[in-house]
Amino acid sequence: IAGITQAPTSQILAAGRRMTLRCTQDMRHNAMYWYRQDLGLGLRLIHYSNTAGTTGKGEVPDGYSVSRANTDDFPLTLASAVPSQTSVYFCASSDRGVSNEQFFGPGTRLTVL
Amino acid sequence: GDSVTQMEGPVTLSEEAFLTINCTYTATGYPSLFWYVQYPGEGLQLLLKATKADDKGSNKGFEATYRKETTSFHLEKGSVQVSDSAVYFCALSDPWGGGSNYKLTFGKGTLLTVNP
Repeated sequence: IAGITQAPTSQILAAGRRMTLRCTQDMRHNAMYWYRQDLGLGLRLIHYSNTAGTTGKGEVPDGYSVSRANTDDFPLTLASAVPSQTSVYFCASSDRGVSNEQFFGPGTRLTVL
Repeated sequence: GDSVTQMEGPVTLSEEAFLTINCTYTATGYPSLFWYVQYPGEGLQLLLKATKADDKGSNKGFEATYRKETTSFHLEKGSVQVSDSAVYFCALSDPWGGGSNYKLTFGKGTLLTVNP
């Protein structure tokens, strides 16, 4: 099935724990992105990767890290979760064409207690 | 830097009413413009897009025209349905505006509720 998959669908996590959110795309897109969605704030970019082997910081990168070892996978890691990281996380990808249309995964709902 | 401003809502309409959701933008380059829709419990889906001035994007009865002179990309639909109830996001991509990434800049979203 073409598209983006994210795992887990939802997670409740104790503060201070480490957590990795997984994202895989099968469209062979160059670029991938992680966003968080919070009520009243819209979507904010956490990290991005223009191509395998490179990553960059977005608008709200603190407390998060990413890696891009290959084209398909783009995991997001919270090294030591805090309650302010409670959010819905969306992974997206694009082929970096002129229009840069992005395709989104279904999201991961994360609650940090 | 780039920014998108859209009407905050929520917007509540009766079925078959006319819909307008305003969106204006600020960009340093020549952006592409998008409307994304998010149905309850789902991720974002592209609704329509326009890549240059005066282009009209359209899909599922929704339309938006790229107006460079007013830096706007307002979303319209002539007759909304209950199934159109969702959150709508205006966004821009400005890969020529400096920087090395192709990120989207989103508005804060507008919740639309359509009642039967």
